[in-house]
Amino acid sequence: DVKVTQSSRYLVKRTGEKVFLECVQDMDHENMFWYRQDPGLGLRLIYFSYDVKMKEKGDIPEGYSVSREKKERFSLILESASTNQTSMYLCASSFLDGSPYNEQFFGPGTRLTVL
Amino acid sequence: QKEVEQDPGPLSVPEGAIVSLNCTYSNSAFQYFMWYRQYSRKGPELLMYTYSSGNKEDGRFTAQVDKSSKYISLFIRDSQPSDSATYLCAMSDNNDMRFGAGTRLTVKP
Repeated sequence: DVKVTQSSRYLVKRTGEKVFLECVQDMDHENMFWYRQDPGLGLRLIYFSYDVKMKEKGDIPEGYSVSREKKERFSLILESASTNQTSMYLCASSFLDGSPYNEQFFGPGTRLTVL
Repeated sequence: QKEVEQDPGPLSVPEGAIVSLNCTYSNSAFQYFMWYRQYSRKGPELLMYTYSSGNKEDGRFTAQVDKSSKYISLFIRDSQPSDSATYLCAMSDNNDMRFGAGTRLTVKP
């Protein structure tokens, strides 16, 4: 059974803290993604990676960075958390040359609250 | 204007009803159209996909794409309480994928 796991389901942090969200996939996927999901706004892409040590900015990269040291692991870093980064964070993965519709497999999400 | 528009609902229907979920989009380069289903406290899972215009049926679910109108639909026949979830449309031009905001559906027994 394919699986994408995220390190925490719920996280509460204070403004200014450095926050690490980790994602691991066991499907040997090349692509990995970080999204945030907010009511009325849908999924917005923060960063994605198509290979180890490679990263590309998505639509809303400001205030975030990422790290991909191993193929199966993709970390999202909030350098200095702010209240407007309170959100649901979803990690996803897919094959680089997969189906034309490029199905993405999602983790269960991390609900981050920044106080 | 957002690239993909989807009515967030919520939508509440009785069991057995036919449900219609819709999205509009502005980018004519989109070729692949998908519907993801997201249960509460879970990540989205791919439900159906279609390529270009036309219909696709899978059990109680039918996906329709009208590229001329830039409009896609998902129909659920004989809806069940287990269909209660958020449904997100997604579309891709093989480079970028864009998601709708999601429609929250509740099917009441």
